[in-house]
Amino acid sequence: AQKITQTQPGMFVQEKEAVTLDCTYDTSDQSYGLFWYKQPSSGEMIFLIYQGSYDEQNATEGRYSLNFQKARKSANLVISASQLGDSAMYFCAMREGPGGGADGLTFGKGTHLIIQP
Amino acid sequence: GAVVSQHPSRVICKSGTSVKIECRSLDFQATTMFWYRQFPKKSLMLMATSNEGSKATYEQGVEKDKFLINHASLTLSTLTVTSAHPEDSSFYICSARVTSGRPPYNEQFFGPGTRLTVL
Repeated sequence: AQKITQTQPGMFVQEKEAVTLDCTYDTSDQSYGLFWYKQPSSGEMIFLIYQGSYDEQNATEGRYSLNFQKARKSANLVISASQLGDSAMYFCAMREGPGGGADGLTFGKGTHLIIQP
Repeated sequence: GAVVSQHPSRVICKSGTSVKIECRSLDFQATTMFWYRQFPKKSLMLMATSNEGSKATYEQGVEKDKFLINHASLTLSTLTVTSAHPEDSSFYICSARVTSGRPPYNEQFFGPGTRLTVL
């Protein structure tokens, strides 16, 4: 079974609209971390937001927020007021275990987001 | 965030040659670095975990003799693709885990990636 599932291979969104990118995960660990990265065509991985499994509040970073629903094992990324520069691939990723960054990340297949003017 | 560099950013080589890719943490120390591989329009796949001063840990299905990893210092890990073939053509990305030097500790930061093309 896939550990990270992103069901939207591609999305088209009008500029200034909000957009939600879906991510569900599968783990038996109680302690884990969830990440979202943006990858523009240049290839660099840009960290957007992080949610720890024990964090009670949903993470927010500027226009990015993470809708964390632990019981559903879902960690959707919400981008408010989308901009043309938001067009990129977006990856959801998970680190299993108690943290400390000792383990590599497992990535979903990504969602290609295109913002239209 | 913390800065990770990779060199070279792009390399083209002939089949059968070996290629070395460097991953450096510029403003922090990293006892652990990770190497990922990404095929076009695909996701990142973890290849191996590089530990300073000890042997790398490879993911299932990754040939350790094919992809040699050396983590000789707290700021440098190298990935050598030995006897490269066209099927090794890919985007290789490293990440480094912040151990000391600057917070946030224990989080991972990615390098800009190296695009390898084997002719």
